[in-house]
Amino acid sequence: GNSVTQMEGPVTLSEEAFLTINCTYTATGYPSLFWYVQYPGEGLQLLLKATKADDKGSNKGFEATYRKETTSFHLEKGSVQVSDSAVYFCALSPFDGSSNTGKLIFGQGTTLQVKP
Amino acid sequence: IAGITQAPTSQILAAGRRMTLRCTQDMRHNAMYWYRQDLGLGLRLIHYSNTAGTTGKGEVPDGYSVSRANTDDFPLTLASAVPSQTSVYFCASSDGLWSGYTFGSGTRLTVV
Repeated sequence: GNSVTQMEGPVTLSEEAFLTINCTYTATGYPSLFWYVQYPGEGLQLLLKATKADDKGSNKGFEATYRKETTSFHLEKGSVQVSDSAVYFCALSPFDGSSNTGKLIFGQGTTLQVKP
Repeated sequence: IAGITQAPTSQILAAGRRMTLRCTQDMRHNAMYWYRQDLGLGLRLIHYSNTAGTTGKGEVPDGYSVSRANTDDFPLTLASAVPSQTSVYFCASSDGLWSGYTFGSGTRLTVV
């Protein structure tokens, strides 16, 4: 079946540190991959996406590359800020080339805390 | 402002009571979804609708029902609430395969 596994948190970093949040997936066919961010008390917001192998999604200094050979979509940022403190969700949308429900399957989320 | 509106924001509900969570979007998206968010479990799909007039079951549909009478509204009903339905509920919509979702701000429901 389809599933997403994220590294366990919380991840605690100092401001300006390098961030990596690991995400691996299991899927049939050719899924699209997404990262969502949830700030305290809010809903989820789309951070970035990639729709095919070797695509790189990027937004607000965050990047993730769709690696089909390692079934991974790790989130990176070169220099985190206190305002990046949030919960980050990796997700996939299954697609087998002929049909798609449009449903997203989420990982369990990784909490990032950035300290000044 | 275009987006998704959920109501109520939070609710404390006695076990056994019936409750409808409201969700309205103004983006004319075809697909809509209900998720519940629980600590350590991420988001789990309850029900979805690919277009007005159709609905489908997600990963955890038991105890919940939905309807999709029109494009904009997608209410979620708990017929007889139980404490295990204590959760944060998010409604989302999507206009296509690759675009990802737009989420509402959530409803925090406590069943006592």
